Amino acid sequence: DARVTQTPRHKVTEMGQEVTMRCQPILGHNTVFWYRQTMMQGLELLAYFRNRAPLDDSGMPKDRFSAEMPDATLATLKIQPSEPRDSAVYFCASGSGADTQYFGPGTRLTVL
Amino acid sequence: QKEVEQNSGPLSVPEGAIASLNCTYSDRGSQSFFWYRQYSGKSPELIMSIYSNGDKEDGRFTAQLNKASQYVSLLIRDSQPSDSATYLCAVNPDSSASKIIFGSGTRLSIRP
Repeated sequence: DARVTQTPRHKVTEMGQEVTMRCQPILGHNTVFWYRQTMMQGLELLAYFRNRAPLDDSGMPKDRFSAEMPDATLATLKIQPSEPRDSAVYFCASGSGADTQYFGPGTRLTVL
Repeated sequence: QKEVEQNSGPLSVPEGAIASLNCTYSDRGSQSFFWYRQYSGKSPELIMSIYSNGDKEDGRFTAQLNKASQYVSLLIRDSQPSDSATYLCAVNPDSSASKIIFGSGTRLSIRP
């Protein structure tokens, strides 16, 4: 049963620390998405990749967030430095088109 | 104006009745429409996609699309307590890209 995996599942850190979240997309999927979900803003697209190339990162605060895909089996989202307002659930999703996005279990981030 | 709008609810429906969830979108050129279900503490799961005007049925679920009115709906027949979740409407405004925009979701509660 192919699934998107994300690590860590939970992360508590202090303001100013670097946070790295990892995602392993489903094998064969060529599109990877990073979303952030909060009660206030709902589900927001931060960035997405097709065939490992970044296509859109307009939803991401550029000064502190960065997203990369070093290879086809790994996508990373980094926050440096982290701030309390970054507290949210971060989802990775993969797909082979806009109608086949499969979400990972998410990383619940708390920044104190 | 938000690109995809949903009533946040909660929508309370008695078990066995029909639950009707509604969504409007702002980009008239949108071609792809989706309904995701998200249980509390879990990740979104795709349950329906629709691309043409009219109805699309899948088991107890029916998606309805009216592009002239920029309106998408989801009907759940014979509602079960296990249908209690948040339902996210999502729209792809650009068929050449994989990016989809999510609504803020409608919380559905099925009461026994």
